[in-house]
Amino acid sequence: DGGITQSPKYLFRKEGQNVTLSCEQNLNHDAMYWYRQDPGQGLRLIYYSQIVNDFQKGDIAEGYSVSREKKESFPLTVTSAQKNPTAFYLCASSIRTSGSFYEQYFGPGTRLTVT
Amino acid sequence: QKEVEQDPGPLSVPEGAIVSLNCTYSNSAFQYFMWYRQYSRKGPELLMYTYSSGNKEDGRFTAQVDKSSQYISLFIRDSQPSDSATYLCAAGGAGTALIFGKGTTLSVSS
Repeated sequence: DGGITQSPKYLFRKEGQNVTLSCEQNLNHDAMYWYRQDPGQGLRLIYYSQIVNDFQKGDIAEGYSVSREKKESFPLTVTSAQKNPTAFYLCASSIRTSGSFYEQYFGPGTRLTVT
Repeated sequence: QKEVEQDPGPLSVPEGAIVSLNCTYSNSAFQYFMWYRQYSRKGPELLMYTYSSGNKEDGRFTAQVDKSSQYISLFIRDSQPSDSATYLCAAGGAGTALIFGKGTTLSVSS
């Protein structure tokens, strides 16, 4: 069964703790992304990676870190430095089609609540 | 100014209506345009995409891009209650990350 998996679906943490969100894909996509979604804010890009061992900051990278050691995995760590971490986190991956166009697909999301 | 603007709605229509969802974009370098459907508490699902200008049809859905006015549209014919969701438009250029609109919430009543 191909696709993008994110685990867990719901995650609860105490303030001050780091937490790592998992994202795995078996689509053989080169690029992977992390977004944050808040009510009324739309999707905001946190980090993206176009190739193994390389990644770039998105619009709201502060307080987050990522790694890309394997093509199929792109975990996101929400650190204690992130001031407002409670949100719905979405992982995505994309494949380059003809015309340098990236067809992007999303995972089911992880809802993180920090109290 | 945000690069992709989308009216958040909500938009409420009766079953069977034709729905028009719209976005504008400000970056003339954008070449491809995508529509996603997102049900509550789920990840967005890619519905359709178009490259450059023109129309693309898939069943009850038609995506339209007008590059001269920098306007993106998604039309849903014979809308169904199962179409009730948030619809996100997105635009991008060659080799760049997609820029998303904030989404329009659609409710189709039976």
